[in-house]
Amino acid sequence: LAKTTQPISMDSYEGQEVNITCSHNNIATNDYITWYQQFPSQGPRFIIQGYKTKVTNEVASLFIPADRKSSTLSLPRVSLSDTAVYYCLVGVNSGGYQKVTFGIGTKLQVIP
Amino acid sequence: GAVVSQHPSRVICKSGTSVKIECRSLDFQATTMFWYRQFPKQSLMLMATSNEGSKATYEQGVEKDKFLINHASLTLSTLTVTSAHPEDSSFYICSAIPIRGVGSSPLHFGNGTRLTVT
Repeated sequence: LAKTTQPISMDSYEGQEVNITCSHNNIATNDYITWYQQFPSQGPRFIIQGYKTKVTNEVASLFIPADRKSSTLSLPRVSLSDTAVYYCLVGVNSGGYQKVTFGIGTKLQVIP
Repeated sequence: GAVVSQHPSRVICKSGTSVKIECRSLDFQATTMFWYRQFPKQSLMLMATSNEGSKATYEQGVEKDKFLINHASLTLSTLTVTSAHPEDSSFYICSAIPIRGVGSSPLHFGNGTRLTVT
C-alpha cells in the first residue's frame, strides 16, 4: 500500500487559495489519487480523484506531476466552512478494490 | 448518487451489552465494505474488510470475536460490538465501493456512529 505524507496543519485566510501537497513516492501504476474532506463527527466526503495531470471539478482542482509521486489539492477562495481535515489516499484503483490506509491528514483552519 | 447510510448515528450502551451498527449502500451495490474506527483527534483506522457472502478480513490487532461483521447482501453490512467496554467508545465509520464495469471506484463513506459505553 502506498504511504502518503501530508502537512499536519495549515492556516489560511478567507478568500485565499489553499494548496495542500501530498507525497506518495511508492504509488503503484494502477493507483488513483483521491482526496477526502472530513468535518468533526462526520464521515469523510469525497472531493476529487485523479490519475495524472490535472483534474478540476466544481469544488477543487487536483494537480499531479508526470512522475505521480506527489499531488496537490487546490481549493479556490476558501471560506470558513472549508475548515476541516483533508486526507490524501492512494490505492483505490480501477476495476477492483484495494484497502486503503488513512494518513494523519491535514487540518485546515480558515481564519476570518 | 453513491450514498452510504449508517445507523444509528449515535448510541449509548452499558458495559457488557452488545451494539449493532448498520451500513447500507442506498443507490448502488457493493461487494466490499470497510469498517473503520476513529478516536478523537486521530485518523481513521481500518478495522476490517467486509465481503458479501464470505467472512470478513480483520486487520492485525482487531478481535474478530468482539467485532462481528456480517455482509449478508450487496447493500448491507453490519458491525456488532459484543460485550462492549468503555474502551470501545469511539467513532465507527463504514465505507463502500460501487460495483462498476469501468472507471475508478472511489470510496463512499457513511456519516459514522458515535458509540459511548458507560
